[in-house]
Amino acid sequence: AQTVTQSQPEMSVQEAETVTLSCTYDTSESNYYLFWYKQPPSRQMILVIRQEAYKQQNATENRFSVNFQKAAKSFSLKISDSQLGDTAMYFCAFMNTNAGKSTFGDGTTLTVKP
Amino acid sequence: GAVVSQHPSWVICKSGTSVKIECRSLDFQATTMFWYRQFPKQSLMLMATSNEGSKATYEQGVEKDKFLINHASLTLSTLTVTSAHPEDSSFYICSARPHDRYNEQFFGPGTRLTVL
Repeated sequence: AQTVTQSQPEMSVQEAETVTLSCTYDTSESNYYLFWYKQPPSRQMILVIRQEAYKQQNATENRFSVNFQKAAKSFSLKISDSQLGDTAMYFCAFMNTNAGKSTFGDGTTLTVKP
Repeated sequence: GAVVSQHPSWVICKSGTSVKIECRSLDFQATTMFWYRQFPKQSLMLMATSNEGSKATYEQGVEKDKFLINHASLTLSTLTVTSAHPEDSSFYICSARPHDRYNEQFFGPGTRLTVL
């Protein structure tokens, strides 16, 4: 079974600054996908960024980028130029390629302060 | 594109009654849909995997007779909470995986269930 660990229950950052959210996972699989999702107060889950395990290059999406360390089973999210709208709960998730099921971490509540 | 709807968005029911929640993929076909449960400020817990035309696969500890799942078409899955009790009160979220994009899932907006 896969496990996903987010060790930071809460974080805060000043507007326009950079913040990094941590995520580690444990799996015996070789093919999988990793995701970061954002859940704002509306509770709608929004995909932030996706990483395919077989790709060495770190994924980026505008202000969002990841640091994927496969050997260390680490998948951190960096948010640059933080905006007030980034305030949300962020979940790291692992998707098993074979079963297609996802395992979520416990989440990190991020508050962006003006 | 890739929109998933849930209905109702919130529901209040009396203890002992049954409640049906619908999950629809509006602009794509979904061979697989997932049902999650989320308590306040907690993670999403997978309840079951629903495949079109076949029986759902439930996660360990989830009562299949209490949480009935039907995936009758490529765009609709339903979750029925039978004989609901206050401890079933929660936020239920569905997601749908497009038939041609195996590594993606799109989430519905969720349904808040309150059992009195």
